[in-house]
Amino acid sequence: SAVISQKPSRDICQRGTSLTIQCQVDSQVTMMFWYRQQPGQSLTLIATANQGSEATYESGFVIDKFPISRPNLTFSTLTVSNMSPEDSSIYLCSVDETGAYGYTFGSGTRLTVV
Amino acid sequence: AQKVTQAQTEISVVEKEDVTLDCVYETRDTTYYLFWYKQPPSGELVFLIRRNSFDEQNEISGRYSWNFQKSTSSFNFTITASQVVDSAVYFCALTDSGAGSYQLTFGKGTKLSVIP
Repeated sequence: SAVISQKPSRDICQRGTSLTIQCQVDSQVTMMFWYRQQPGQSLTLIATANQGSEATYESGFVIDKFPISRPNLTFSTLTVSNMSPEDSSIYLCSVDETGAYGYTFGSGTRLTVV
Repeated sequence: AQKVTQAQTEISVVEKEDVTLDCVYETRDTTYYLFWYKQPPSGELVFLIRRNSFDEQNEISGRYSWNFQKSTSSFNFTITASQVVDSAVYFCALTDSGAGSYQLTFGKGTKLSVIP
């Protein structure tokens, strides 16, 4: 299965600032996904990122708050903009692999906004 | 719309006991995939199994087994002879072609604590 490197693993940020999370995959993948997991909650899809097109955002998530880049088939970034304490969550990237392995997830970025 | 329900929020068992985690799903599609993931305290999501809607065979992998029943829309997960290392949050998830992008819909998770 694909190996995903996600950085940073954790960060503590001041409110009003922005953080960019990187996701690097060791193979080319068509679809990448960004999820948010608020404390004690399940995972919620933020957006789907396909190379060469604008990301598709789920209801409740907007591009101005969570801009995403997908410059090639192995890399994507998610920026959390103008952060508030409510943005404190684990953010995970995921790739779609067809076949027996299912979806692979990065190790997550644990974000705390103070 | 697809939905995954994990009614058990938290479960505690004593080491070596068997434990079953329940998962009930809803989807209008006839082609779909079901997953189980493990999230240990470190936070990463570990893939355990994927099952497609056309394969109702139960599966066993070591101490883990899965019971897929389309008649009751359930995909339950049993850990036999539980160990402390099994302590984690377990998520059941679903994707179907109706979602278009094959996004995963997660249940709320079941937190399993295995007490030594």
